[in-house]
Amino acid sequence: QTVVTQEPSLTVSPGGTVTLTCALTTGAVTSAYFPNWFQQKVGQAPRAVIYGATNKHSWTPARFSGSLLGGKAALTLSGVQPEDEAEYHCLLYYGNAWVFGGGTKLTVL
Amino acid sequence: QVQLVQSGAEVRKPGASVKVSCKASGYTFNRYVFHWVRQAPGQGLEWMGIINPSDGTAVPAQKFRGRVRMTRDTSTTTLYMELISLTSEDTAIYYCAREGAGTYIYDYWGQGTLVTVST
Repeated sequence: QTVVTQEPSLTVSPGGTVTLTCALTTGAVTSAYFPNWFQQKVGQAPRAVIYGATNKHSWTPARFSGSLLGGKAALTLSGVQPEDEAEYHCLLYYGNAWVFGGGTKLTVL
Repeated sequence: QVQLVQSGAEVRKPGASVKVSCKASGYTFNRYVFHWVRQAPGQGLEWMGIINPSDGTAVPAQKFRGRVRMTRDTSTTTLYMELISLTSEDTAIYYCAREGAGTYIYDYWGQGTLVTVST
C-alpha cells in the first residue's frame, strides 16, 4: 500500500523559516508525481498553494516556495507570518490515483 | 470568478445513502476535471475519485469502488457524488476540487459538505 508521509507537527517563530516535507514509502518523490500542496486553516476548506512541486498559484504568497529535496517534496515558508498557522497537506499522483499525506500541523509561536 | 458551491449538511442512518452536489460557475465547465475528497473529524484528507465532466467518465479510488457514484449534469454545471451503504466511518466533510484537465494542477475547492452517519 502506497503511503505518503509528512511531519505530524512543526513549530516556527514569527519571521522564521520552516520546511515541511512529503515522502513516499516506496521511493523518491520526483516531478512525475506532480506534487501539490494545500493549506487548510481551522474550519475552512483546503486552499491550493503549490502545484507541480515548485509552481505557485496567483494567490500564493511569495514567502511560500516548493521544491524537491533529498528525494522528497518540500514546502518552505520564509519569513513566517502568524496567519500561516494551519494544517498543510501534500498530494501525490501515484499509479493512476492520488494519495494525500497525513498532513503537518504548523504552529507559529 | 470561479465558484464551487456545495449542498448543505446531511444526516443519515447507517445503511442509507447520501448524494452531495457541487455547483460550478465562472469558467468553461468542460475544461476541467473534478475530484472528490473527504476528511473525517480530526483526520487528514482522503481522495475518493475523479470525474471528467466532458464525457462523464468517472474513476473511483479502489477503496470506494462499488460504493461511490460520481456523475454530472452539464446543463446545470453541477457535479454529484453519491455514497451508498453508509457506516459511521463515513462521517466526514466531503469536498469537490477542480483540476485543469490533464494538467495535474488542483486549484479551486468547494466549501465542503458535512455528512453525519448516526443512529
